[in-house]
Amino acid sequence: DVKVTQSSRYLVKRTGEKVFLECVQDMDHENMFWYRQDPGLGLRLIYFSYDVKMKEKGDIPEGYSVSREKKERFSLILESASTNQTSMYLCASSSPHDTTGGGTEAFFGQGTRLTVV
Amino acid sequence: LAKTTQPISMDSYEGQEVNITCSHNNIATNDYITWYQQFPSQGPRFIIQGYKTKVTNEVASLFIPADRKSSTLSLPRVSLSDTAVYYCLVGDMGGNTPLVFGKGTRLSVIA
Repeated sequence: DVKVTQSSRYLVKRTGEKVFLECVQDMDHENMFWYRQDPGLGLRLIYFSYDVKMKEKGDIPEGYSVSREKKERFSLILESASTNQTSMYLCASSSPHDTTGGGTEAFFGQGTRLTVV
Repeated sequence: LAKTTQPISMDSYEGQEVNITCSHNNIATNDYITWYQQFPSQGPRFIIQGYKTKVTNEVASLFIPADRKSSTLSLPRVSLSDTAVYYCLVGDMGGNTPLVFGKGTRLSVIA
């Protein structure tokens, strides 16, 4: 059973703390993504990575950074957490290779609900 | 990346067929159309994907007209458990392409 695992389901942090959200996938996927989801705003892309040590900014990278030292692991870092970063964070992975005769499918983790107080 | 437009919400009674249409006027030649489903407090999951004409699997059907500027997700005989948010994505899905989600369509199935 393919799996994308996020390290925490719920997390509470204080304003100003450095926060690490970890994501691990076991499918040998090249592409990995971090999103945040807020009511009424859908999923918004923060960063994505298409290879080890590679990263690209998404639509809302401000206040975040990422690390991809190994293919299976993609970390989202909040350098100094703020209350407006309280949100649901979702990690996903996909392969760029054509596996279905067409496009490819992305797999998501269960999400981390982060509360910054 | 092609922008998508879909209704914000839809209601349906159990047992009915539900059709959710997505507009993507700027779709590129290499782009596929993919739909995801998301239940509360869970990550989205892949439902169906197509390039042109019609695709059917055990969960849904996807209708794509010849000009590919829109697509329709069809859910046959919905049940209460189909209540979810449905997202339409357009992109080549390969290589170094980010997955960009819109706000999706919130489907509410009523008994």
